[in-house]
Amino acid sequence: DAGITQSPRHKVTETGTPVTLRCHQTENHRYMYWYRQDPGHGLRLIHYSYGVKDTDKGEVSDGYSVSRSKTEDFLLTLESATSSQTSVYFCAISADSSGQPQHFGDGTRLSIL
Amino acid sequence: KQEVTQIPAALSVPEGENLVLNCSFTDSAIYNLQWFRQDPGKGLTSLLLIQSSQREQTSGRLNASLDKSSGRSTLYIAASQPGDSATYLCAVGDNDMRFGAGTRLTVKP
Repeated sequence: DAGITQSPRHKVTETGTPVTLRCHQTENHRYMYWYRQDPGHGLRLIHYSYGVKDTDKGEVSDGYSVSRSKTEDFLLTLESATSSQTSVYFCAISADSSGQPQHFGDGTRLSIL
Repeated sequence: KQEVTQIPAALSVPEGENLVLNCSFTDSAIYNLQWFRQDPGKGLTSLLLIQSSQREQTSGRLNASLDKSSGRSTLYIAASQPGDSATYLCAVGDNDMRFGAGTRLTVKP
């Protein structure tokens, strides 16, 4: 299995609070991704990173920010969580965006009340 | 915008049967197509990746094909086993990968 650790694995918080999810990899892969998975919408890309301090938006980036200060860590922040951001969040990594597969972590289940 | 569709949404077969899962996409200008499986409450496991210049990939009992001109991919599973029961997802693209909704496969002993 690819060395990807997501933390926390579960979190319950209240509307309006800030939340940060962490993805840590031990593979030294250049590319890292954050997705959310919702019933009826499937998996959708939030943000991705193509190197330290290099990030770009995905399909559903509104309300989210990311940071990557080290190759191994990619943080996803909800500045002021809303109930619509209740979801399962997955981190993925890839050595190359065009010829290598993406490998996924086990996910973080986030509930915003 | 790339749209990815998977048919059927659910499939139940007896053990030992060969089966085909289908994936279609609207924009044929793709870089990669990747097949994943997802077990309940788990992350995605990469099964096969087909680059745009390739027509198929094989791994064990799995074979995936790609026809860009028709916007279709198939995942063939030979001699299905109960352990193959999972949701199978296809995804198209490189960094901005678009996913289908998946096919939920049940293989009955």
